[in-house]
Amino acid sequence: DAGITQSPRYKITETGRQVTLMCHQTWSHSYMFWYRQDLGHGLRLIYYSAAADITDKGEVPDGYVVSRSKTENFPLTLESATRSQTSVYFCASRETRQRTTDTQYFGPGTRLTVL
Amino acid sequence: GNSVTQMEGPVTLSEEAFLTINCTYTATGYPSLFWYVQYPGEGLQLLLKATKADDKGSNKGFEATYRKETTSFHLEKGSVQVSDSAVYFCALLDSGGGADGLTFGKGTHLIIQP
Repeated sequence: DAGITQSPRYKITETGRQVTLMCHQTWSHSYMFWYRQDLGHGLRLIYYSAAADITDKGEVPDGYVVSRSKTENFPLTLESATRSQTSVYFCASRETRQRTTDTQYFGPGTRLTVL
Repeated sequence: GNSVTQMEGPVTLSEEAFLTINCTYTATGYPSLFWYVQYPGEGLQLLLKATKADDKGSNKGFEATYRKETTSFHLEKGSVQVSDSAVYFCALLDSGGGADGLTFGKGTHLIIQP
């Protein structure tokens, strides 16, 4: 089915381990985003990408790494997971540069628990 | 910087009641404003949006008007249903420079009782 998918949907890991969250979209949207959702904070932007091989930091990038070798994929890596990174992670995409009019479409989320 | 403030709730209403969820914002440029809805266990879905002052966004019986003079974008619905129970997020995207993602409020948990 077309759309934006995330995997895994649930992940439990231990402090210090490396974890990669996957995001895949079938629309060929130029822009992709990673947000984290925490109680009391709403959603906060971690990283975003305007196109393949172009990425930029958002509000809370520390402890995360992203890459975008293909337009349709935007993986998020926690190089050494910490308990403070326990959260729900959402990937999103947007078609064009029309940031104020185009819609951002969100994936179903990945619930990550770091023990 | 940009920020969005909304009532957090939970807000509990009876079916067919009138709904208002307040949202105010601070932005450096001329933002577009959005309401997203998150149903249990799901991602966020765009509910409605407005891209300039005095625009009214509407969808599924929900409405919100972009009020530049009061920097507000309150969400309203005349008669809520149990199926409207969800978390509602107000968000903005500034037209100026800076990061390209949405700035969200903390979310309002709405519970509709039959």
